[in-house]
Amino acid sequence: GQNIDQPTEMTATEGAIVQINCTYQTSGFNGLFWYQQHAGEAPTFLSYNVLDGLEEKGRFSSFLSRSKGYSYLLLKELQMKDSASYLCAVSQITGFQKLVFGTGTRLLVSP
Amino acid sequence: EAQVTQNPRYLITVTGKKLTVTCSQNMNHEYMSWYRQDPGLGLRQIYYSMNVEVTDKGDVPEGYKVSRKEKRNFPLILESPSPNQTSLYFCASSLSGRNEKLFFGSGTQLSVL
Repeated sequence: GQNIDQPTEMTATEGAIVQINCTYQTSGFNGLFWYQQHAGEAPTFLSYNVLDGLEEKGRFSSFLSRSKGYSYLLLKELQMKDSASYLCAVSQITGFQKLVFGTGTRLLVSP
Repeated sequence: EAQVTQNPRYLITVTGKKLTVTCSQNMNHEYMSWYRQDPGLGLRQIYYSMNVEVTDKGDVPEGYKVSRKEKRNFPLILESPSPNQTSLYFCASSLSGRNEKLFFGSGTQLSVL
């Protein structure tokens, strides 16, 4: 089976830094994705980690520790448009694109 | 423009009335999948397809059917919709289904009365 945990909701201020955590327990781990989803819209890809360490992409970075079953998404220089839900998704080696999604973290950025 | 197109965007229907949600992608992707999204439950996979005529069940397939007669199209069929199928549905595709990012359609909000 699999279990993915993320905080339900977070708030932050424009210009600040926020870290969204994701912990998982799964068999056959084969990588972890982060997606962004604005209210009423489709999820869009942010990052993918398969090896331990930090992947940086502009204002967004994603970290993975396979041994700890832990990932985080780091958002810097927050903007109002970053208000969205952030979905952690674990890829399992047992299937083709067997992605299991967490319930998402809703981030509210205030002025 | 590379995209996944879903229709309709909104649909209200009554219990038992068969419906089809269409999904089409123009990226020549082999892998396509359907998800439903419910508050507090996240995205759950309904069915997926690795290629033409190759489909398989996801985590919540009951009450749904799919077909993959052409590479670009992957319709979701509800033969006899029930109120517990009221949800937000997303179609998604990727190149081969092996740890690549998914491209999602814009979603279909379905209400079954």
